[in-house]
Amino acid sequence: NAGVTQTPKFQVLKTGQSMTLQCAQDMNHEYMSWYRQDPGMGLRLIHYSVGAGITDQGEVPNGYNVSRSTTEDFPLRLLSAAPSQTSVYFCASRPDRAAYNEQFFGPGTRLTVL
Amino acid sequence: AQSVTQLGSHVSVSEGALVLLRCNYSSSVPPYLFWYVQYPNQGLQLLLKYTSAATLVKGINGFEAEFKKSETSFHLTKPSAHMSDAAEYFCAVSDNNDMRFGAGTRLTVKP
Repeated sequence: NAGVTQTPKFQVLKTGQSMTLQCAQDMNHEYMSWYRQDPGMGLRLIHYSVGAGITDQGEVPNGYNVSRSTTEDFPLRLLSAAPSQTSVYFCASRPDRAAYNEQFFGPGTRLTVL
Repeated sequence: AQSVTQLGSHVSVSEGALVLLRCNYSSSVPPYLFWYVQYPNQGLQLLLKYTSAATLVKGINGFEAEFKKSETSFHLTKPSAHMSDAAEYFCAVSDNNDMRFGAGTRLTVKP
């Protein structure tokens, strides 16, 4: 199993550009999530999904959109990038929404917005 | 809402010394607690988790953590630090919707 994969690994955008961060998992997990990591702030939840066709907002959803058309894929869209979205983005998954399940993390995407 | 607080953004120990990383939680229900480790330029890996089966939880790489309800704590320890333990460590609390992380503690191990 490849686990959780993310593409690209690095990305530089100009303010106002749009892009999609890709995330895929091959573990048949129902629950997937997106976090951003900023120095001194830990990881903050952007959006999550408890299954195909179901998404919800996390702690910091503004400026980001998600969709979940398949169990495997959970892309994160930035519609109009801003410098405040410069961060490292992690996708994660767990078998289902049960709280005792650990999350499995991808390797991350480092995004810089100029 | 549930939350965790990690005391100390940086901890430095000598090789062979005790490692103690502190985490306190806030939760209105019995919590599910996790410790993750992040090596440079990598994602997070699970060290251990508390799911109410036992208060002393043993994890990978010689780490363990003790759940203390009276102190609302879940501190991470390792008896003898190794150079390879240098990394950032995150405490997290989970519910059925999300997992909330602390700000992280960067561990430095001096030779």
